[in-house]
Amino acid sequence: GENVEQHPSTLSVQEGDSAVIKCTYSDSASNYFPWYKQELGKGPQLIIDIRSNVGEKKDQRIAVTLNKTAKHFSLHITETQPEDSAVYFCASKNSGNTPLVFGKGTRLSVIA
Amino acid sequence: ETGVTQTPRHLVMGMTNKKSLKCEQHLGHNAMYWYKQSAKKPLELMFVYNFKEQTENNSVPSRFSPECPNSSHLFLHLHTLQPEDSALYLCASSQGTSASYNEQFFGPGTRLTVL
Repeated sequence: GENVEQHPSTLSVQEGDSAVIKCTYSDSASNYFPWYKQELGKGPQLIIDIRSNVGEKKDQRIAVTLNKTAKHFSLHITETQPEDSAVYFCASKNSGNTPLVFGKGTRLSVIA
Repeated sequence: ETGVTQTPRHLVMGMTNKKSLKCEQHLGHNAMYWYKQSAKKPLELMFVYNFKEQTENNSVPSRFSPECPNSSHLFLHLHTLQPEDSALYLCASSQGTSASYNEQFFGPGTRLTVL
């Protein structure tokens, strides 16, 4: 089955700097890659996703890149702000009747 | 608010107790999920229901018993739990399970402590 590895497990950045979180996956049939943000006391919330027919997607300060050949995808947050502090999860899925497979999460701390 | 509510938000129970977790979604979705979230572990999928039918049981111990009376409600019945079952239990829903891009909407979770 699918296996998703996520790095780093913790990340601290100064406010205004960029943060990058990377994930690798094992199933070459995976074609959907969402990123979730989980704030303290809340459930995970989708912040951006990418499908396998594109290599990059951007939404304001957040961008995701996908390299299907290398089977890895990354989350990029620019101009980080304290409210970006949270746990971020990557996930992957193929088009079959299989569930999302999540990475272990990255705890991002943005220091003011 | 994501449209998925969970009650209770916090639960403390002894190993001999029986309790139930409730999840309700107001999104018109057909699929609902239970996840277990423990510290320093990935989200663990427990059960999946699609159109009220269980489609996935991820080798979950029988002390966890799910129930899905309709597409909007999902329960997790708990009995004779162990301290290692203490975790955040998350419910989620999605439009279906077969499409490749099925956004899952999560509830806030129930923080369970087993004494």
